[in-house]
Amino acid sequence: EPEVTQTPSHQVTQMGQEVILRCVPISNHLYFYWYRQILGQKVEFLVSFYNNEISEKSEIFDDQFSVERPDGSNFTLKIRSTKLEDSAMYFCASSDLAGVPYEQYFGPGTRLTVT
Amino acid sequence: GENVEQHPSTLSVQEGDSAVIKCTYSDSASNYFPWYKQELGKRPQLIIDIRSNVGEKKDQRIAVTLNKTAKHFSLHITETQPEDSAVYFCAARHKEYGNKLVFGAGTILRVKS
Repeated sequence: EPEVTQTPSHQVTQMGQEVILRCVPISNHLYFYWYRQILGQKVEFLVSFYNNEISEKSEIFDDQFSVERPDGSNFTLKIRSTKLEDSAMYFCASSDLAGVPYEQYFGPGTRLTVT
Repeated sequence: GENVEQHPSTLSVQEGDSAVIKCTYSDSASNYFPWYKQELGKRPQLIIDIRSNVGEKKDQRIAVTLNKTAKHFSLHITETQPEDSAVYFCAARHKEYGNKLVFGAGTILRVKS
């Protein structure tokens, strides 16, 4: 069964540094998402992406965040200048708009630790 | 915006008993309600979902019910097993806000053998 994959599994960075989190969505999916989960808390929506543009973003997704689909398979989340409070698990998800709508399948996550 | 409340925050049951987790949502325009199971350090896994045009859906030992009038939906797990122990999250999707999911705070389910 196809799965969403993410790299790296764990990223440690210093405050102020830029990080790029990478995701490979399920191949025939058309809608892509980033969520984050601070340790012990609920999963929070960051951004959704469809047809090469952001379709919706949350208040968390400020100017420090950006997303990109640089090629036909990868979907990336960039944080330009990381803060301590960006430490969290970041999940990528994808859904097939044409098939069964709305079902979102999550990747294994990238644990981001900002020191 | 949409707000999802989930109860209880922790639930302990004896193996073989049933478990029920309840969620309420605030926006009557929400039309899709998935449930995710998350084991420690793993990804959230979709286990069952329900759309607003359906009142109940069942898949083997798990079922979800939806009451649109009261704006609440519930997850029912029968004949619980130790491997059902995990954190369960409910979520709601608002039809006007793309496919964004708003999650509840989660329920830690412990099945004691």
